[in-house]
Amino acid sequence: SQELEQSPQSLIVQEGKNLTINCTSSKTLYGLYWYKQKYGEGLIFLMMLQKGGEEKSHEKITAKLDEKKQQSSLHITASQPSHAGIYLCGADDPRYSGGGADGLTFGKGTHLIIQP
Amino acid sequence: EAEVAQSPRYKITEKSQAVAFWCDPISGHATLYWYRQILGQGPELLVQFQDESVVDDSQLPKDRFSAERLKGVDSTLKIQPAELGDSAMYLCASSFQVGGRGRFNEQFFGPGTRLTVL
Repeated sequence: SQELEQSPQSLIVQEGKNLTINCTSSKTLYGLYWYKQKYGEGLIFLMMLQKGGEEKSHEKITAKLDEKKQQSSLHITASQPSHAGIYLCGADDPRYSGGGADGLTFGKGTHLIIQP
Repeated sequence: EAEVAQSPRYKITEKSQAVAFWCDPISGHATLYWYRQILGQGPELLVQFQDESVVDDSQLPKDRFSAERLKGVDSTLKIQPAELGDSAMYLCASSFQVGGRGRFNEQFFGPGTRLTVL
């Protein structure tokens, strides 16, 4: 089965600094999703990447999928307190084939703390 | 803004008791997912519905878990009997499009139900 490893597990960053979170897959990624989760709440969709080399940005967050489609990175520029939370990468799991099944496999998450 | 609704938000129960969680997806969303998230882990898919039909329930512990979406709208997830290891956040998500591997299909998540089994 596909596994996603996220690094680092946790990250403490001073407000205003840049940071990067990585997500590495054991198999080729067909679709890679980035979500953010506030503690004790549901997930909020950030971005989805499909093509090798693809890069997407939204406000101060940029996500990239490497050419071999086995690793993605999430970069936050000039971090703010609102960026604090848990960042999860999720992959379209090849286990689910046909019939419209598209449940995601998630990594364990990266806990981001922003220090004022 | 349309949201996925879940209730209750918190549930405390004793082991061997039955519990049920309810989810109302965004109107018009044909696909509904139930995920379980153990503390410190990422969500794990339990079951996926397309309208009222189960698309995938391969990870659902069927000896104690059941899920239904009778009219293809809202859904109920039941656990009977609950065990200590079932303590987790149960997340419901919905999506508009019919899924399929590699096709972009944004899943909208509800706030979750936090279950504690004593």
